[in-house]
Amino acid sequence: DAGITQSPRYKITETGRQVTLMCHQTWSHSYMFWYRQDLGHGLRLIYYSAAADITDKGEVPDGYVVSRSKTENFPLTLESATRSQTSVYFCASSESGTTGAYEQYFGPGTRLTVT
Amino acid sequence: SQQGEEDPQALSIQEGENATMNCSYKTSINNLQWYRQNSGRGLVHLILIRSNEREKHSGRLRVTLDTSKKSSSLLITASRAADTASYFCATVFSGNTPLVFGKGTRLSVIA
Repeated sequence: DAGITQSPRYKITETGRQVTLMCHQTWSHSYMFWYRQDLGHGLRLIYYSAAADITDKGEVPDGYVVSRSKTENFPLTLESATRSQTSVYFCASSESGTTGAYEQYFGPGTRLTVT
Repeated sequence: SQQGEEDPQALSIQEGENATMNCSYKTSINNLQWYRQNSGRGLVHLILIRSNEREKHSGRLRVTLDTSKKSSSLLITASRAADTASYFCATVFSGNTPLVFGKGTRLSVIA
C-alpha cells in the first residue's frame, strides 16, 4: 500500500536494550524525519535526512542513531534504551526542496515503553 | 526556543460554533503550517501559508498570517464533533531549516 508505515506500532523493552524502530515510505520522498512526542513538549525533532546517506541532527538526538541506505527506509535505533526515551515516535516524509518547504506526511506512530 | 506557541492550550466549544486558535513565533519565517492530530494518530497537514501570503482558505478552514506581529490564526467555521483533535502550528525559519512544531491546542467540539 502507498504511504508511510512504521513498525512496530507498540514496543515494550527493558532499560539498556537496543531497539530499532522502522519507517518505510512509498512516495520516493527525499526528506524523512523522526520525531518524539511527549506530554508538555509537543513534537521534537530527533534526526532528519535529506537523501540516502545524508542525515542530520535535530533538537534531541542524544541516545539515538539513524541510517538511510535506501531512499524509502529510515530506521531509528536506540542503542541503550533509557526510561526517559519512553515516548511516542513519529516518522514523517516530504518532497524535495529546502528542508521545510513542503508539507510533511506522518506515519501512525510507535508507542515505546522502556521499563 | 524558536518554537511557535499556540494559544489557547485547550478550547471547548459547541457543535456549530467557530473555533479560533492562534500561533505566535519569535523570528522571521519562511512559511507556517498547520496540522491536526486525532487521538492516537499521526499528524495530518491542513494548510501551508508562505511568508508573503496573508490569508488562505481550505473548506471550513481559514488561516491568516501577520508577519509584523509574528502571529497566525486558524479559524474552523461551523465546527463538528469530528473536528475534535489537537492542532499544531509548525514554522520554517529562514534558510534550509526543518519544521519546528508548537505544543498544540486541544480542541473539543461537543455535540
